[in-house]
Amino acid sequence: QKEVEQNSGPLSVPEGAIASLNCTYSDRGSQSFFWYRQYSGKSPELIMFIYSNGDKEDGRFTAQLNKASQYVSLLIRDSQPSDSATYLCAVNKKWAGGGADGLTFGKGTHLIIQP
Amino acid sequence: EAQVTQNPRYLITVTGKKLTVTCSQNMNHEYMSWYRQDPGLGLRQIYYSMNVEVTDKGDVPEGYKVSRKEKRNFPLILESPSPNQTSLYFCASCGGGANEKLFFGSGTQLSVL
Repeated sequence: QKEVEQNSGPLSVPEGAIASLNCTYSDRGSQSFFWYRQYSGKSPELIMFIYSNGDKEDGRFTAQLNKASQYVSLLIRDSQPSDSATYLCAVNKKWAGGGADGLTFGKGTHLIIQP
Repeated sequence: EAQVTQNPRYLITVTGKKLTVTCSQNMNHEYMSWYRQDPGLGLRQIYYSMNVEVTDKGDVPEGYKVSRKEKRNFPLILESPSPNQTSLYFCASCGGGANEKLFFGSGTQLSVL
């Protein structure tokens, strides 16, 4: 069973709509969850992290975590063409602050925002 | 400017010719790591280091070596490269703390002929 799973896409969303990206993980003991954005040919950059069940909002981005169902999602409101990228979900088995060596990445979802 | 610097950006080599990809960070981070990224396989960890002289294998360490003699540097060594090591490589560092944010280098596209 794959540890962190994402739909590879591409996920096509019209400009101005809400883009919804999903990620499931297999290790029930996972503690911290991250979303990285990667533009084509560039390196990943952290855009959101979440530790507790529920929603966490930062500007147009909302991360949602449901530990009981073992999924984490990223919502992007008012999607812009500049949001077109690959979004990587990353899951850490360790407690927050416990170290990045327990981090596992999903394969990423390719998001396309259509003008 | 806080950054992770990888060199070279592009590298074409032949099978069996030893090479080193350098990685340096200026943020005094203890944790450093190497990943490779392949289409359909995502980011996979090769090796990581929790501190100077402390290194450990990641998920795909075969065919690679690393060293951590200084805190800022974490070179990736391919003693005898093979075509299946053709990939995009990223070095990353992390300062720890509450969010374990990884700072990535700009990547090295390696082609082994």
